[in-house]
Amino acid sequence: AQKITQTQPGMFVQEKEAVTLDCTYDTSDQSYGLFWYKQPSSGEMIFLIYQGSYDEQNATEGRYSLNFQKARKSANLVISASQLGDSAMYFCAMRVSRDTGRRALTFGSGTRLQVQP
Amino acid sequence: DSGVTQTPKHLITATGQRVTLRCSPRSGDLSVYWYQQSLDQGLQFLIQYYNGEERAKGNILERFSAQQFPDLHSELNLSSLELGDSALYFCASSLSGTGGGSTTNEKLFFGSGTQLSVL
Repeated sequence: AQKITQTQPGMFVQEKEAVTLDCTYDTSDQSYGLFWYKQPSSGEMIFLIYQGSYDEQNATEGRYSLNFQKARKSANLVISASQLGDSAMYFCAMRVSRDTGRRALTFGSGTRLQVQP
Repeated sequence: DSGVTQTPKHLITATGQRVTLRCSPRSGDLSVYWYQQSLDQGLQFLIQYYNGEERAKGNILERFSAQQFPDLHSELNLSSLELGDSALYFCASSLSGTGGGSTTNEKLFFGSGTQLSVL
């Protein structure tokens, strides 16, 4: 069974600094995808970034980058130049089946990030 | 705006009652997923439908059921409600139509959720 572990329940970062949110995963599947979602206090889940297991380059989306280390089974999210609006809950998630239409995600427990002015 | 619409946003009901949560996926998305988010259990996958058919089941209770209609909207029915069913229920959608690994159809887009309070 697949598992996602986020070991940091809460993180603080100063505005304009970079922060890394940790995520490790466990799967025996060779083909999988890793996702990060942001959940602000308003409750919606916002897609941030995706990394496929066969992607050779680390994914980047604006200020977000994913530090993918396949051998260590880690997929850490790096947020550069933190902004106050980045304060939110961040979830790492994984999808392991590539069967058409079978794309449920398994989520970690989340990390609450607070950006301080 | 993710393009996924969930109604109602808030629902307050009593134990033993039955409620229906509704979800309209993004235009063109064939898969709908239901998730439950509670403080003690985190985000739990409940069930997935793909083009009208049940495709995957997660930790969904027997008191809960769902369906996806021909127009691809989905409903999650929760019956014999208990206090512990109080949670935020998310619907998500994805294209999931052709397989393969393009980034676009790998994303799940979430609705804003239905906050269910069982009193």
